[in-house]
Amino acid sequence: DTGVSQDPRHKITKRGQNVTFRCDPISEHNRLYWYRQTLGQGPEFLTYFQNEAQLEKSRLLSDRFSAERPKGSFSTLEIQRTEQGDSAMYLCASSYSIHNEKLFFGSGTQLSVL
Amino acid sequence: TQLLEQSPQFLSIQEGENLTVYCNSSSVFSSLQWYRQEPGEGPVLLVTVVTGGEVKKLKRLTFQFGDARKDSSLHITAAQPGDTGLYLCARGGNNAGNMLTFGGGTRLMVKP
Repeated sequence: DTGVSQDPRHKITKRGQNVTFRCDPISEHNRLYWYRQTLGQGPEFLTYFQNEAQLEKSRLLSDRFSAERPKGSFSTLEIQRTEQGDSAMYLCASSYSIHNEKLFFGSGTQLSVL
Repeated sequence: TQLLEQSPQFLSIQEGENLTVYCNSSSVFSSLQWYRQEPGEGPVLLVTVVTGGEVKKLKRLTFQFGDARKDSSLHITAAQPGDTGLYLCARGGNNAGNMLTFGGGTRLMVKP
């Protein structure tokens, strides 16, 4: 297993465009998390799935943001009508629920909104 | 808003020096984790502490959890350039989902 994979690694878009990121978790992990990290800050929780069910969403996740995990495997995070304030590193992490403490992070998608 | 306060925010030292970074909160942690993050990469878990007063060692890194479980420290002995990175503490969630809350991090640079 190669760990948590995120695609693309970098995305540059113009304000107002829609973007979609993909995360492939470690195959046996049933939990998947999305975090956002801005420069000089720690990651902030956005949302979390257990299998295909989205169980928790942060108030940071405005209605322009939507996340899915259709078959309980990979996940997508879509941002509609991007704003400059959306520029950040979007991190995905996965874990296996029995090993509740151990999150494995991907390398992230760096979004720049011009 | 970061609920965990990490200090210092930045630290630049010479190779071979010792250092300590801190993570503090006004509330009790159920558990606390330390991560290291390199530029352009995701955080990598170093250690999890759950018991007040617990001390864990990972080679030259020593992690301590405060007796009251409100604070933690990370001590690095004889720092090396490879220790350079962002050190993040994170508290576990008080729920089954384990949503972590991260501090703002300490950015460490070790100069050769």
